[in-house]
Parts: sequence; structure tokens; C-alpha cells
Amino acid sequence: EIVLTQSPATLSLSPGEGATLSCRASQSISFYLAWYQQKPGQAPRLLIHDASNRATGIPARFSGSGSGTDFTLTISSLEPEDFAVYYCQQRYNWPITFGQGTRLEIK
Amino acid sequence: EVQLVTSGGGFVQPGGSLRLSCAASGFTFSGYALSWVRQPPGKGLEWVSGISGVGGDTYYADSVRGRFTVSRDNSKNTLYLQLTSLRVEDTAVYYCAKGSAIFGVVVFDYWGQGTLVTVSS
Repeated sequence: EIVLTQSPATLSLSPGEGATLSCRASQSISFYLAWYQQKPGQAPRLLIHDASNRATGIPARFSGSGSGTDFTLTISSLEPEDFAVYYCQQRYNWPITFGQGTRLEIK
Repeated sequence: EVQLVTSGGGFVQPGGSLRLSCAASGFTFSGYALSWVRQPPGKGLEWVSGISGVGGDTYYADSVRGRFTVSRDNSKNTLYLQLTSLRVEDTAVYYCAKGSAIFGVVVFDYWGQGTLVTVSS
């Protein structure tokens, strides 16, 4: 099973600042990594697939990068609605696994 | 518009059973793999089970293999998850999620609203 480790666990920032979230895989997963955003009481929403491709309707301030074992989600300038929990997910092989999440909170 | 409406959750004692359903609309149902993903209260996401578009291939997390069964009825545009031998640690919100392709290891581009399963004595 591929283990995904996200860091930091919690990130405290102010609106307008940039955010960098990390996801590290326990083995190489090529570019087969996705990012999701989840707000309280809501289902997750797909942001990025295959490491760097924005999903339909996702604002350009969200970008993804990386390959192999190290991946990054960058939010260029935080909007109030961006404060949420973010999860990474690998689709390299079965079983599908998620990272434990990074909570992005308002400072 | 893609919609996934989940139902069937509830309160059950350890060892009991439930069947979850996910009614889909807004896309060609048989053209996409589907999965169940769960989230214990206050915790992260755990993939539980997946099924290919035509239903010939099924996949399970080790934590549920042999206890849960995934199926789909493409004539009714509905996904199911039969949960048996339930344990306290199965307590979670269960989401159905639409895969990005007909088979294989996918990402999830649409999610249902989730249904809460509570296992307790």
C-alpha cells in the first residue's frame, strides 16, 4: 500500500498570502496524484488531477506540481473561501490511498 | 448536471448489516467506475471499495474485504454497498464518488452528499 504523508498538518495564514502544501509518497507514483478540498459538512471537491491539471471550474490561483514522490499544491493568493482541509490521493495502484490532510486555517 | 444521491445509512449494532445506495444522474452511468469512500467523524478520507463501469471488476480495502460487497445496476443508474459484520470502527460518513474513467485506478470528479453509518451497542 502506498502511504501519502502530508505536511504541515495545520497551516495558519491570512487572506492574500500564498500557501504551499506538501504531499510525499512512500514510493514513486509518477504523476498520478490528485488534490481535493473539503469544507466542514461538505463532500470533497477535486482541485487538481495528475499532479498539475486543474479540474473543471477550479480557479487559476490553485496549481499543482511534482512527480515521483514529492508533490506540492500552491494557492497563490488566499481567498476567504480557501480555508478548508486539503487531501492528496494517489491513483498509481490499488488500493487507492489518501493523505491524512492539511488544515488551512485563518491566522 | 451530475448528481449522486446517497441513502441507506443509519444506526446499527455491532455484527449487523446495512445496504447503502447511490442514485446517479447527469452522466452515462455505465461509462464510469464508481467508488465508496468513508470518513470517520473528525478524521480523514479512506477509500473503501470500487467497481468498474460494467461491473466486472471490483476492488476492496483490506479493512472491509470479506465483509462489504459493492455492486451496481446500470439499468437503474444505482450503486450499492452491502455492509455486513459491522464493527464500531466502521462508523463513518460514506460517500459515493464518480471515477474519471470506466475502469482502473481513478480520481473522483464528483461526490455524493454522504450518508452516516453509526455502529454502536
